[in-house]
Amino acid sequence: NAGVTQTPKFRILKIGQSMTLQCAQDMNHNYMYWYRQDPGMGLKLIYYSVGAGITDKGEVPNGYNVSRSTTEDFPLRLELAAPSQTSVYFCASSDQRGQKNTEAFFGQGTRLTVV
Amino acid sequence: GDSVTQMEGPVTLSEEAFLTINCTYTATGYPSLFWYVQYPGEGLQLLLKATKADDKGSNKGFEATYRKETTSFHLEKGSVQVSDSAVYFCALKTSYDKVIFGPGTSLSVIP
Repeated sequence: NAGVTQTPKFRILKIGQSMTLQCAQDMNHNYMYWYRQDPGMGLKLIYYSVGAGITDKGEVPNGYNVSRSTTEDFPLRLELAAPSQTSVYFCASSDQRGQKNTEAFFGQGTRLTVV
Repeated sequence: GDSVTQMEGPVTLSEEAFLTINCTYTATGYPSLFWYVQYPGEGLQLLLKATKADDKGSNKGFEATYRKETTSFHLEKGSVQVSDSAVYFCALKTSYDKVIFGPGTSLSVIP
């Protein structure tokens, strides 16, 4: 059971480059999330999705885009990388079909450095 | 809106000391409450949870009780170990909304 899989684990980008962080889950969860975590800081929600075809902004969406064409996949796109986007990115998923007691499952993270 | 507040860190304790990390919440309705742990270099993983008032969640010697009257879910452990060094996140979830995380509390346990 793979759970939540993120790729790549590490990436170095130059300013202005673009890239897509991949996230896939095999638990048929309806909710998926993208967070960033800066050193010594908590989690900040970038975008989330309540199901295929539906996405919504979190606290810090600027500079990012997402899509949710399938239940399984929730890629995060950086169009013009900036040093301020240097961070660790976590994808998570949860099943919220009226069951509030199910927890969120996290991927292992993608460590991104923009130079 | 819904929110979670945690005590400021970092917290440094000696091995075998008693641990309390405070967590209070604001929510409409009756959320489920969670504690997550993040070990260095890893993602978050569920430590324990409670789904209704007066429930006690427990795991790996950690405990937390859902207190509706004080809107709290404090994390406790009677005797911490070096291997407990991590960042701890309190979180809540209502039936039809996203998970809300607190800012996290860093714990360092020294031998």
